[in-house]
Amino acid sequence: AQSVTQLDSHVSVSEGTPVLLRCNYSSSYSPSLFWYVQHPNKGLQLLLKYTSAATLVKGINGFEAEFKKSETSFHLTKPSAHMSDAAEYFCVVTLSGGTSYGKLTFGQGTILTVHP
Amino acid sequence: EAGVTQFPSHSVIEKGQTVTLRCDPISGHDNLYWYRRVMGKEIKFLLHFVKESKQDESGMPNNRFLAERTGGTYSTLKVQPAELEDSGVYFCASSQDNSRNTQYFGPGTRLTVL
Repeated sequence: AQSVTQLDSHVSVSEGTPVLLRCNYSSSYSPSLFWYVQHPNKGLQLLLKYTSAATLVKGINGFEAEFKKSETSFHLTKPSAHMSDAAEYFCVVTLSGGTSYGKLTFGQGTILTVHP
Repeated sequence: EAGVTQFPSHSVIEKGQTVTLRCDPISGHDNLYWYRRVMGKEIKFLLHFVKESKQDESGMPNNRFLAERTGGTYSTLKVQPAELEDSGVYFCASSQDNSRNTQYFGPGTRLTVL
């Protein structure tokens, strides 16, 4: 079985300050982990993915995430928030093997608000 | 290269009616997935096609939902008869293979059942 918990339903930051969106996962097998973003009235866009290579993963738009197996975490960070980062962010896990191969399990989503 | 497209973008129907959602995956992607987000809940997996075959339909809520992918290209998801609890956003995604390849998502179809 696999599951994802996003620890904050809403995060509010000021423009230019750091962003931290927290995610914990549970997986019986070696997981692949993703962060997707959904801007208003848009589809889901992949920000970054971890697939058992480097534990620090860099994505688009200055975002990065670190896979910490001991803490079962995959938190998303960005050093300096932009107004355009305001969106809903999803932490996602999928198995690298087993019968649920390819099926994505989503967290509940975190809405990021960026204030001027 | 065109992305995943979904039609319609919005659909408003009355309880008991039938609705058919369509998804066109990225050309050459054998894997096609349907997901749904009911208001206030997380996005949940519905089913997975590999070409025209259903690989995993464990997420389909009940037998009012029928998904097809004839010819292994586009897919349809029919809800018949629709109930109020079927309202939500239905997403389609496709990938080249289901190992560690990225799933590319369409913009979704927002279904409202009145």
